[in-house]
Amino acid sequence: EDQVTQSPEALRLQEGESSSLNCSYTVSGLRGLFWYRQDPGKGPEFLFTLYSAGEEKEKERLKATLTKKESFLHITAPKPEDSATYLCAVQATTSGTYKYIFGTGTRLKVLA
Amino acid sequence: NAGVTQTPKFQVLKTGQSMTLQCAQDMNHEYMSWYRQDPGMGLRLIHYSVGAGITDQGEVPNGYNVSRSTTEDFPLRLLSAAPSQTSVYFCASSSRRGEKLFFGSGTQLSVL
Repeated sequence: EDQVTQSPEALRLQEGESSSLNCSYTVSGLRGLFWYRQDPGKGPEFLFTLYSAGEEKEKERLKATLTKKESFLHITAPKPEDSATYLCAVQATTSGTYKYIFGTGTRLKVLA
Repeated sequence: NAGVTQTPKFQVLKTGQSMTLQCAQDMNHEYMSWYRQDPGMGLRLIHYSVGAGITDQGEVPNGYNVSRSTTEDFPLRLLSAAPSQTSVYFCASSSRRGEKLFFGSGTQLSVL
């Protein structure tokens, strides 16, 4: 069964305290892995797409990496404005059709 | 740029009532979709469309109906609301299926 698991569910960091969020997946026919950021009361906002193992993408304090079984979202020296829920989604192809599978997210709180 | 616009932002219904959630995008995207987001669960696909006149079911389609008469609009109809449909609903679009999703700001629906 295709599955996406994110850990931890929640994370509290002090400003400047670097950490990593994990997204592990089991899917057949992986087409891409996506990271989104979701602020309270808003829709998810796209951050990164990763397509193959070994690929890395960076944006400001965020860096996403991908292996054959999991992806990490590394947050370097976070600031309070990085507080949000981070969602991971994988896109898989099955019998010629595409489907997105979302994880339940990691709620990140960065304290000043 | 408006992006993806959803209305209403909040809605309270009584069991058995019907209503339509509106979604419009101004990016000329082919692919549009509806998700629901419930606590402890990832976003789940309700219905999607790959172009005007073409719709298909997602993971949790029961109790919902969609149509796509134009490229811009993709309304979601609740035929006879049930308490199990209490959720936050998101409309999302992409330039084509498989690309990053652009989400609306969501509709918080309560069914009493």
